[in-house]
Amino acid sequence: GESVGLHLPTLSVQEGDNSIINCAYSNSASDYFIWYKQESGKGPQFIIDIRSNMDKRQGQRVTVLLNKTVKHLSLQIAATQPGDSAVYFCAEKGGSNDYKLSFGAGTTVTVRA
Amino acid sequence: GAGVSQTPSNKVTEKGKYVELRCDPISGHTALYWYRQSLGQGPEFLIYFQGTGAADDSGLPNDRFFAVRPEGSVSTLKIQRTERGDSAMYLCASSPTSGMNTGELFFGEGSRLTVL
Repeated sequence: GESVGLHLPTLSVQEGDNSIINCAYSNSASDYFIWYKQESGKGPQFIIDIRSNMDKRQGQRVTVLLNKTVKHLSLQIAATQPGDSAVYFCAEKGGSNDYKLSFGAGTTVTVRA
Repeated sequence: GAGVSQTPSNKVTEKGKYVELRCDPISGHTALYWYRQSLGQGPEFLIYFQGTGAADDSGLPNDRFFAVRPEGSVSTLKIQRTERGDSAMYLCASSPTSGMNTGELFFGEGSRLTVL
């Protein structure tokens, strides 16, 4: 069953503000997590990933935080831009015996000018 | 091209017809995945190939769905006797690693299937 993705389905953010997108997972054995961005009519694009032995990872304008205690994942986008408008999915790999990613339902982010 | 290529980008068919969707992964990627995405939902796993073999087909919804990867590169997803409920975006992804070291999946742009 679906184990990833407790979230607010939509998020509206003012251009220039920071965005925080949340995701909860239920499989405590999951050892790898990814955030994907999907624009309308396109395939998912990789944003950032994190392994379970880390609690924070930073990229360009994005930060992923992992809290294994409460099984929570978040994506922070700094200085949100109009091009950040998209659906964001968190995905998890369920441990060393798993090799596929399971996706949540996604959060739609709309950036207001 | 450098990315995962999927054809056709759009396919409209009638109920009961047979459909093939093709995926050309990134060169050298041994792992290949098929996902299905319904409107407003996240991608759902269908099948995973490691090389030529289907290592996990547990996500295929029924025996009308079948996929092959005969030479360990291009894969074809085959749907027999299509039903309206099969309408969705079919996404293919490839990865250079697999198993314990599975990392990022590189997705194609998808094939939008509409069954009338």
